[in-house]
Amino acid sequence: DTGVSQNPRHKITKRGQNVTFRCDPISEHNRLYWYRQTLGQGPEFLTYFQNEAQLEKSRLLSDRFSAERPKGSFSTLEIQRTEQGDSAMYLCASSPRGQGVVSEQFFGPGTRLTVL
Amino acid sequence: AQSVTQLGSHVSVSEGALVLLRCNYSSSVPPYLFWYVQYPNQGLQLLLKYTSAATLVKGINGFEAEFKKSETSFHLTKPSAHMSDAAEYFCAVTPLKGGSQGNLIFGKGTKLSVKP
Repeated sequence: DTGVSQNPRHKITKRGQNVTFRCDPISEHNRLYWYRQTLGQGPEFLTYFQNEAQLEKSRLLSDRFSAERPKGSFSTLEIQRTEQGDSAMYLCASSPRGQGVVSEQFFGPGTRLTVL
Repeated sequence: AQSVTQLGSHVSVSEGALVLLRCNYSSSVPPYLFWYVQYPNQGLQLLLKYTSAATLVKGINGFEAEFKKSETSFHLTKPSAHMSDAAEYFCAVTPLKGGSQGNLIFGKGTKLSVKP
């Protein structure tokens, strides 16, 4: 399967611990997005990469969150000192270089984080 | 600022009946509009998108949506519901202009149930 993959699919952690998620986009997609989805809500934008450059961050992305995309391939999202409010589904999406914002975003299955 | 409102968090229809899922948007600039579907334990999948060409947009699985600027609406319809249409549906917007990198702004979603 050549779709967007995310690992792990599920993560349970204790409050205060650090967690890291990985996203592997569709190869040759130069744009990569992270979203967060809580129960009963639609996905909310967190951050965006074009190749290896992080071009935009949402105000939702507190100082405890950091994302990287070394070499413009896979991306990692780290949450430090997790809080119960961080419990959510973290979605990754990628899109090819296209005509501005028209390019379709392809979503991965998500990583469900539960903070106890 | 852009936003999306989906009327009705749950919609239930009988198999073979018309499906109508409502979406209203707010945007200070001409928008791109999308409908995504999310099946349990799967990533979001694009159903269709409006990119300022034809106002009636046809998507996959028999769905279509009509962009009505005067009503700021982009409702999703399907003439005859199938059991396999049971899923959660999200309307999303992104501005054509204004420096956005294509970040999608989602509504809260509408869960569609199909009764046999």
